[in-house]
Amino acid sequence: SQQGEEDPQALSIQEGENATMNCSYKTSINNLQWYRQNSGRGLVHLILIRSNEREKHSGRLRVTLDTSKKSSSLLITASRAADTASYFCATFDNYGQNFVFGPGTRLSVLP
Amino acid sequence: DTAVSQTPKYLVTQMGNDKSIKCEQNLGHDTMYWYKQDSKKFLKIMFSYNNKELIINETVPNRFSPKSPDKAHLNLHINSLELGDSAVYFCASSAGERGFTEAFFGQGTRLTVV
Repeated sequence: SQQGEEDPQALSIQEGENATMNCSYKTSINNLQWYRQNSGRGLVHLILIRSNEREKHSGRLRVTLDTSKKSSSLLITASRAADTASYFCATFDNYGQNFVFGPGTRLSVLP
Repeated sequence: DTAVSQTPKYLVTQMGNDKSIKCEQNLGHDTMYWYKQDSKKFLKIMFSYNNKELIINETVPNRFSPKSPDKAHLNLHINSLELGDSAVYFCASSAGERGFTEAFFGQGTRLTVV
């Protein structure tokens, strides 16, 4: 079963604004990961947060993890047009031995 | 150097044909994967493979088969292609104990069955 689910499905903001995307999952995890996919390209890993971490930063990215609520959020600050992409959260399915991705959030940053 | 490379990038073929998509990773990773991404961008695992174990998603038709000549390659072979097979297929790899590190993806192969 799908573990990660993002919301919103689509988000449109102006350049310079912040973008927040949320992810929920169903099972226990050892980490949660966020990926970006530009149109027509493969997924690129952005950040990994371990289950014993609550917040992590990388440049303009801030990720939070609440294991009690089985949820995570990705915040992109001071967005740029180049941030336009789909963003996916992923967890690891130990039974199927694979990464399970949510349906993604399509972010559009308007100049 | 491209870490995970797939060929071809685009593949247009007729129903009933047999085709292969190649994947190579130069990262020294032990585990490779094949994912299918549909028109709604939903990513679905097809296979997970390392040098010891192949795990097949039970929903994948047996017309699809992974073939690994060595640790750096995991090719996808598809028999008797159907219209519904049209999608983007991604190869990926990861290191070490599964799930503890990130996955690296290829650029994808857009398969169109006509």
